Amino acid sequence: EPEVTQTPSHQVTQMGQEVILRCVPISNHLYFYWYRQILGQKVEFLVSFYNNEISEKSEIFDDQFSVERPDGSNFTLKIRSTKLEDSAMYFCASRRDADTQYFGPGTRLTVL
Amino acid sequence: AQKVTQAQTEISVVEKEDVTLDCVYETRDTTYYLFWYKQPPSGELVFLIRRNSFDEQNEISGRYSWNFQKSTSSFNFTITASQVVDSAVYFCALSESDYKLSFGAGTTVTVRA
Repeated sequence: EPEVTQTPSHQVTQMGQEVILRCVPISNHLYFYWYRQILGQKVEFLVSFYNNEISEKSEIFDDQFSVERPDGSNFTLKIRSTKLEDSAMYFCASRRDADTQYFGPGTRLTVL
Repeated sequence: AQKVTQAQTEISVVEKEDVTLDCVYETRDTTYYLFWYKQPPSGELVFLIRRNSFDEQNEISGRYSWNFQKSTSSFNFTITASQVVDSAVYFCALSESDYKLSFGAGTTVTVRA
């Protein structure tokens, strides 16, 4: 069964460093998402992406964040200059059309 | 304003007991989708069910059942004869016309042997 994959599973970085989180959505899906879950809290929407552009972004998704689909399979989230409060689990999700979003296993980002 | 409210923060039961998780949602859209996801201790989000706003039929899948009532804006989830493997955080979520998911705060279910 096809699934969303994410790498790395855990990323540790120093404050101020750039990180790139990678996702491979399900191959025939067209809509892509990033969500964030700070430890012990609920899952929050960051950004949606369709047809090579951002469809919607939340107030969390400020200028430090960017997304890209550099090729036909990868979908990346870049945080340009990480802050301590960026420490969280980041989930990628994808969907085909008016359908269920399927989530990847997440990347745990730890900013020191 | 919270679009999805899960009033129960934690529920602890003994194995084989039934447990019901409450979810109340708020939307002005006439077309929307409701979801339940399970987050086990390993951290991934596992899709359990999706209902659209036009389908109020209750659903049963094994030991899981869902009760959708538009009149009370609720989409409750029951685990029958709970097992230790059911221990997890359960999230209710709402998808409106923009399809992004709004999650509730989650309910932590602990099933004791």
